[in-house]
Amino acid sequence: DADVTQTPRNRITKTGKRIMLECSQTKGHDRMYWYRQDPGLGLQLIYYSFDVKDINKGEISDGYSVSRQAQAKFSLSLESAIPNQTALYFCATSEPGRTGNEQFFGPGTRLTVL
Amino acid sequence: DQQVKQNSPSLSVQEGRISILNCDYTNSMFDYFLWYKKYPAEGPTFLISISSIKDKNEDGRFTVFLNKSAKHLSLHIVPSQPGDSAVYFCAASARETSGSRLTFGEGTQLTVNP
Repeated sequence: DADVTQTPRNRITKTGKRIMLECSQTKGHDRMYWYRQDPGLGLQLIYYSFDVKDINKGEISDGYSVSRQAQAKFSLSLESAIPNQTALYFCATSEPGRTGNEQFFGPGTRLTVL
Repeated sequence: DQQVKQNSPSLSVQEGRISILNCDYTNSMFDYFLWYKKYPAEGPTFLISISSIKDKNEDGRFTVFLNKSAKHLSLHIVPSQPGDSAVYFCAASARETSGSRLTFGEGTQLTVNP
């Protein structure tokens, strides 16, 4: 079973719609991250959370919000989707005390905004 | 401001030969570097890392070299195998100032031809 899961895996939506992407992990890690990947730009950090009560903006947080419902769950919302938010979205987890700075990624969600 | 750069979007090598993937960084606070491999429709997976107190780390066919004065690191794969064909991301962290946050390069698509 995958340690980091993301739902949905693919989503097509229209401009202006509210979208939620969900991430769950069974690794027991405190730290969770949301990234987006665009062709030629690598992975850019959207939001990150070091524990349930700690939420921080990343490099490109405008247009996004997050919710850390529990240690194992971290959701990303697009309040009003726009076409330039079409991208691959990845959730990741880490536990520096146990595994160094390595982050463990989910399989990704491909989001298309028409 | 791209703090981690992979200047080669793609690299093609013959099976059995050496693959060398390069990465440059600008932030002198980076003290830990990682390489990730990504197959289509999957999330990135950790490959190998190196701390700034070292200049080389080896794990089987994979070796990472760090040249701090040049702010340059490289990943060597010897011998290359067709299964190594993937996108490779370089990542860096400044553990003192940014904790477990990672900054990623744009990625290099490696193709190993049989």
